[in-house]
Amino acid sequence: AQSVAQPEDQVNVAEGNPLTVKCTYSVSGNPYLFWYVQYPNRGLQFLLKYITGDNLVKGSYGFEAEFNKSQTSFHLKKPSALVSDSALYFCAVRDTGGGNKLTFGTGTQLKVEL
Amino acid sequence: DVKVTQSSRYLVKRTGEKVFLECVQDMDHENMFWYRQDPGLGLRLIYFSYDVKMKEKGDIPEGYSVSREKKERFSLILESASTNQTSMYLCASSGLAEQNTGELFFGEGSRLTVL
Repeated sequence: AQSVAQPEDQVNVAEGNPLTVKCTYSVSGNPYLFWYVQYPNRGLQFLLKYITGDNLVKGSYGFEAEFNKSQTSFHLKKPSALVSDSALYFCAVRDTGGGNKLTFGTGTQLKVEL
Repeated sequence: DVKVTQSSRYLVKRTGEKVFLECVQDMDHENMFWYRQDPGLGLRLIYFSYDVKMKEKGDIPEGYSVSREKKERFSLILESASTNQTSMYLCASSGLAEQNTGELFFGEGSRLTVL
């Protein structure tokens, strides 16, 4: 079965500094990988996805993610963090059986401070 | 914009009560999902549906059932609520256009407390 792991419960970064939120995956076959963000008391919002092609994927709000097949990783990055980026971030992988069934990681709380 | 509406943002119920959580989407999506979200556990899939009157178990279906009588509506039912079902419940949908991309559209969530 496919799975994703987010090794950090929380990441703290100063505003203006680059940020990285880590994700590793385990899947048979080619992975379909996603990042979602959740602001307080809200549902999840889609940020970006990797399906095939360029290993660097750009998404919403200036975020990007780097797919690394040899390290089975899909880390979320942003060159310059904003306080408004503070939220809960989830990595997810699509079920290899097809459809749109996603398996999510445990989430990483990002806190950006002034 | 796609809108996924969950009928109740906050509910408080007593142990043993029957609980209905309703979800409606306005984009004619084929696929609908119910997840529960718990701190440290992330999102876990309870049930999903690929079509009207069709349902499939997710990873944690015990204690839950679902109903999809109309394409736009997907209901989650707790037949006899228990305290360990206190959680945030998230509904999501996706259409054929997203079938190969994996993008889900989520509702705002329903926070259920069972006393």
